[in-house]
Amino acid sequence: AQSVAQPEDQVNVAEGNPLTVKCTYSVSGNPYLFWYVQYPNRGLQFLLKYITGDNLVKGSYGFEAEFNKSQTSFHLKKPSALVSDSALYFCAVLRRGYSTLTFGKGTMLLVSP
Amino acid sequence: DAMVIQNPRYQVTQFGKPVTLSCSQTLNHNVMYWYQQKSSQAPKLLFHYYDKDFNNEADTPDNFQSRRPNTSFCFLDIRSPGLGDAAMYLCATSRESSGRTDTQYFGPGTRLTVL
Repeated sequence: AQSVAQPEDQVNVAEGNPLTVKCTYSVSGNPYLFWYVQYPNRGLQFLLKYITGDNLVKGSYGFEAEFNKSQTSFHLKKPSALVSDSALYFCAVLRRGYSTLTFGKGTMLLVSP
Repeated sequence: DAMVIQNPRYQVTQFGKPVTLSCSQTLNHNVMYWYQQKSSQAPKLLFHYYDKDFNNEADTPDNFQSRRPNTSFCFLDIRSPGLGDAAMYLCATSRESSGRTDTQYFGPGTRLTVL
């Protein structure tokens, strides 16, 4: 069975500080990995994905994620957080050859002024 | 801009009264998905269409049905809504070809309230 773990329900960070939102996965093969962000009463917005190649993936709004195969992790990072980054973040995996995503439970990011 | 559109954004219905939520897309994607999301939890996949092929998740209640009359449109029918069906319903689309599925793009969601 495949699973995605986001170990933190909430991450608090001060504006201007670096942020990390953690994600680990347990999926056979070499899955595709995604990060989505959700603002209140909105749909999920695609941030970035890893398919193959460079382990550091750059995405929208200054976010990036680091793929680590040995640790089966795909942590989301940003060098300098903004208050407007406060939202719910979901990590998801897509097993190759399949059509459906498996989501983590989500991590609420709160950036304080 | 190519996008996924959901109507209405907010829907109020009465207990037991059938309701239909709609999704349309201008991305020309061949796969369309319906998710249910409750109170900041992860989205839960209800079913998806690969072209015209319907794929139901094993734990999706019979109360939920779907129709996809053409590539652009997909509908979610809730035959007899219960209080537990109050949630955000998200539509998503993706392109799949040669066994490879690309990124899923989500609509803004429909917030369903059941009175």
